[in-house]
Amino acid sequence: EVQLLESGGDLVQPGGSLRLSCAASGFTFSTYAMTWVRQAPGKGLEWVSTISFSGGDTYHADSVRGRFTISRDNSRNTVYLEMHSLRAEDTAVYYCAKGNYHGSGDYFDYWGQGTLVTVSS
Amino acid sequence: SSELTQDPAVSVALGQTVTITCQGDSLRSYYASWYQQKPGQAPILVIYAKDNRPSGIPDRFSGSCSGNTASLTITGAQAEDEADYYCNSRDTSGNHWVFGGGTKLTVL
Repeated sequence: EVQLLESGGDLVQPGGSLRLSCAASGFTFSTYAMTWVRQAPGKGLEWVSTISFSGGDTYHADSVRGRFTISRDNSRNTVYLEMHSLRAEDTAVYYCAKGNYHGSGDYFDYWGQGTLVTVSS
Repeated sequence: SSELTQDPAVSVALGQTVTITCQGDSLRSYYASWYQQKPGQAPILVIYAKDNRPSGIPDRFSGSCSGNTASLTITGAQAEDEADYYCNSRDTSGNHWVFGGGTKLTVL
């Protein structure tokens, strides 16, 4: 059974930093891309960052580029999101999602339950 | 373009058919996937690569695509289908992903 367990969410002051973790199990972690998606309170889903299966390629939304960094440790089956210079608008539930691919379409086939990041003074 | 456009809200009578659409230039190059999200829960995948259903998703859910528009159809909507639905695809650059704004489905 695929499981994704996020952790690390917390209340942090504006300008602060936080590291989120997502521990994966139930699949061969090192062969799949992983993604972070966030959802601000009462809002829709927003793609944040994606990392390739090897970690060699990373992609970040314009809204977080230069402040957030996605990484992974395939020996620990864990993906991370390092967040710096946090702003109030980064307040959201952050979901970890497993990537998959079919033809000309990739998609997120499993999601964690999310971890809440609140940026406030 | 980095946008996918969805109608904010759609309603359907119990047992009837409803189609939720998603428009964007990137859909001419990349397949859409669709996600269902109920209040307080994580999203779940309901359609991938245009018209494929993951195991466990009822066959009343189907997908299609034409030009710059992807569609999610629920044939014989049930009360438990009331949820928010989001489409997703890569953007036209191919290096970013984008979600539609979401459609709130109400089953009457």
